[in-house]
Amino acid sequence: SQQGEEDPQALSIQEGENATMNCSYKTSINNLQWYRQNSGRGLVHLILIRSNEREKHSGRLRVTLDTSKKSSSLLITASRAADTASYFCATDKGGAQKLVFGQGTRLTINP
Amino acid sequence: DAMVIQNPRYQVTQFGKPVTLSCSQTLNHNVMYWYQQKSSQAPKLLFHYYDKDFNNEADTPDNFQSRRPNTSFCFLDIRSPGLGDAAMYLCATSRAGQGAVEQYFGPGTRLTVT
Repeated sequence: SQQGEEDPQALSIQEGENATMNCSYKTSINNLQWYRQNSGRGLVHLILIRSNEREKHSGRLRVTLDTSKKSSSLLITASRAADTASYFCATDKGGAQKLVFGQGTRLTINP
Repeated sequence: DAMVIQNPRYQVTQFGKPVTLSCSQTLNHNVMYWYQQKSSQAPKLLFHYYDKDFNNEADTPDNFQSRRPNTSFCFLDIRSPGLGDAAMYLCATSRAGQGAVEQYFGPGTRLTVT
């Protein structure tokens, strides 16, 4: 079964607003990663947060991790039309060199 | 710029006709991955190579094979494509690390089966 579950499945907001996406997972992790995918393209790595970290920032992105609740959130502040994409969380699988992706959140930023 | 390249970007094949998708990388990463992604779904790992060591996922159909002749290149062979194999196929690379690390993706090959 899929390791990560994301919600909401789809999110539509106005440009300039903040967007928050959530990810829950089932088993222990070493790290959790967030990726963006523009329509019909490959995925782009956004941020990696390790299991011993609680929060991480990168530009307009803020990621939190709560290992006790097995959940993470991705916050995009001051959204732009170019942020329109699907966002996936991914967790490592038993320490192996591989990831399991959540179902993703489709984010639409309306001008 | 270092990157992951996939060719072709779009591939049309006939039901049952073997097809090969290609991936190359200039990142010199040890690990290469192949994912299948169907519309509005998560990427699903098919297999990966850690150097020359091939690692198949338990639920990857036998119809899917892979070759990695050298560090830079990796191929996905679909021996007898079915209609259900129509999808985006994504190649990714990563350096070897302590557990899973950042993966670098190619733009994908969209496969259509007629």
